[in-house]
Amino acid sequence: AQKITQTQPGMFVQEKEAVTLDCTYDTSDQSYGLFWYKQPSSGEMIFLIYQGSYDEQNATEGRYSLNFQKARKSANLVISASQLGDSAMYFCAMREGIRYSTLTFGKGTMLLVSP
Amino acid sequence: EAQVTQNPRYLITVTGKKLTVTCSQNMNHEYMSWYRQDPGLGLRQIYYSMNVEVTDKGDVPEGYKVSRKEKRNFPLILESPSPNQTSLYFCASSLSLVSTDTQYFGPGTRLTVL
Repeated sequence: AQKITQTQPGMFVQEKEAVTLDCTYDTSDQSYGLFWYKQPSSGEMIFLIYQGSYDEQNATEGRYSLNFQKARKSANLVISASQLGDSAMYFCAMREGIRYSTLTFGKGTMLLVSP
Repeated sequence: EAQVTQNPRYLITVTGKKLTVTCSQNMNHEYMSWYRQDPGLGLRQIYYSMNVEVTDKGDVPEGYKVSRKEKRNFPLILESPSPNQTSLYFCASSLSLVSTDTQYFGPGTRLTVL
């Protein structure tokens, strides 16, 4: 079974609108971290936001927020007030376990923001 | 500025010609890792290092070597590159091993093996 599932291959949104990118995860560990990365067409991988499994509050970083629903094992990224520069590939990723853990990525969602 | 750097950013080479992709971080991170990204396959881990002189295989280590002689550097070595190693390579680092630590990525190296 996939550990990280991103069901939306592509999303379209108009500038200034909010958009939600879906991510569900699968783990039996109690301790894990969930991450979102942005990859623009230039190729670099940019860290956006992090949510820990024990965090009670949803993470926020500027226009990015993470809608964390632990019981449903979902960690959706919400981008408010989309900008043209938000057009990129977005990856959800997870590290699990108490000690060593690698980073497992989803397949990604391509977001296109139109004027 | 805290960052992970990789060199070269772009490389075209021929089959069998040994090459090294360098990776350096200035954040005093213990953990470093190499990934490759391929269309349809996503990001896959090649090797990782938990500290100096401690390295281990990831999901796709065949055809690659690494070394960690200094904390800041983690080069990726392709002894005899083949066309199936054409890919986008990322180096990443994090403060430690735990699941709550964010991995920061370098800018990527686009490798083409002819």
